Amino acid sequence: QITLTQQAESLWVSPGEKVSITCRASQSLLYTDGKHYLSWYQQRPGQTTKALIYHASIRTDGVPTRFIGSGSGTEFTLSIEDVQPEDIALYYCLQTLKKPSTFGGGTKLELK
Amino acid sequence: EVQLQESGPGLVKPSQSLSLTCSVTGYSITSNYWGWIRKFPGNKMEWMGYISYSGSTSYNPSLKSRISITRDTSKNQFFLQLNSVTTEDTATYYCARYSLLGGVMDAWGQGASVTVSS
Repeated sequence: QITLTQQAESLWVSPGEKVSITCRASQSLLYTDGKHYLSWYQQRPGQTTKALIYHASIRTDGVPTRFIGSGSGTEFTLSIEDVQPEDIALYYCLQTLKKPSTFGGGTKLELK
Repeated sequence: EVQLQESGPGLVKPSQSLSLTCSVTGYSITSNYWGWIRKFPGNKMEWMGYISYSGSTSYNPSLKSRISITRDTSKNQFFLQLNSVTTEDTATYYCARYSLLGGVMDAWGQGASVTVSS
């Protein structure tokens, strides 16, 4: 199965700063349709899990433009520009290229 | 707006079966794919499986023959059954909808906490 590694378990950030969360896959997530099957999710206490990014770089409906997904092949990044207090959460990457789908270990964004 | 809600017992004894229901409102489960995911203490997430719009299923091999996902289209619900549970199955269980866009789960339930303990 494909392993996703989120190196940072925790990242500390101040409001207004930019932060990047990385996700490395054990093999390329590029499919023959030219799309990467990598998505990003946000989990906040008391809220349902929210899909932020799919196909590595496309924001889902309603996601603020400060959330930016990038990367290709095996290396992917979720960047949050101008971090807001409501962005403090747990973030996961997920690959759905090959079964079983697998998640990264999660990165917790915390306030400095 | 689609909403998903998990329900079921919060405590299951070892060797018994865990059964959860995902009730969906605002969208028909005869469209899209519908999945189960769990989150263990310590935050590790595991994809468990899904049921498709046609009723076909796919499961994580790690769960071998213990898992079954079924549905009742008349009630717009789908179900998770996990047999022969152990304490290792203690987790928060989520149901989710796969988007038609492909490869992304765009709607999730709040999660149901299940503890396996005697």
